[in-house]
Amino acid sequence: ETGVTQSPTHLIKTRGQQVTLRCSSQSGHNTVSWYQQALGQGPQFIFQYYREEENGRGNFPPRFSGLQFPNYSSELNVNALELDDSALYLCAIKTELQEAGYTFGSGTRLTVV
Amino acid sequence: AQSVTQLGSHVSVSEGALVLLRCNYSSSVPPYLFWYVQYPNQGLQLLLKYTTGATLVKGINGFEAEFKKSETSFHLTKPSAHMSDAAEYFCAVSPLKGSSYKLIFGSGTRLLVRP
Repeated sequence: ETGVTQSPTHLIKTRGQQVTLRCSSQSGHNTVSWYQQALGQGPQFIFQYYREEENGRGNFPPRFSGLQFPNYSSELNVNALELDDSALYLCAIKTELQEAGYTFGSGTRLTVV
Repeated sequence: AQSVTQLGSHVSVSEGALVLLRCNYSSSVPPYLFWYVQYPNQGLQLLLKYTTGATLVKGINGFEAEFKKSETSFHLTKPSAHMSDAAEYFCAVSPLKGSSYKLIFGSGTRLLVRP
């Protein structure tokens, strides 16, 4: 039990649709990051939110967007889904007490058909 | 730009044998370094991390790693492999300072443990 909950665990969407993935933590945190892990690859940084504002972004198009809420939950939204968006999406949190490193959730497996 | 190279996409060892998973990084300054493990259909679990201080870092499940600045390496070892160690292992780096603590991952090494 990591203390980071992601929902749903699996979902299937059709190309062109929109999807919202959710992440929540049992404990308070001020930094949440999202990663995309394609099959057989390492996770790739999508973006990061610090105190509800985006403060870092990887090489992902604007159709990937996010939100961080005051209650420590977070969302990843993807518009106009493409087949290549099929992947495991991981949420990771960090508190100010952690010198470095993140605690990851178990991920959401997204399949785009 | 920082990058991570993990040599060997698959490593196979016998139960009880030494485990050695290799990681080299590219960075203009010494970064924070991490090893994560991923079991099938699960997220990432932190094995160990190096930030500052002692270069030999001990982690969970008997794993350890040594930061060698001159070789820009952070190899993961375990003296005796268990069947339960079979998983995917990822080496990662992040900036030493800055507001964006993003992790840059290697492509992973799948560890197979033979009975």
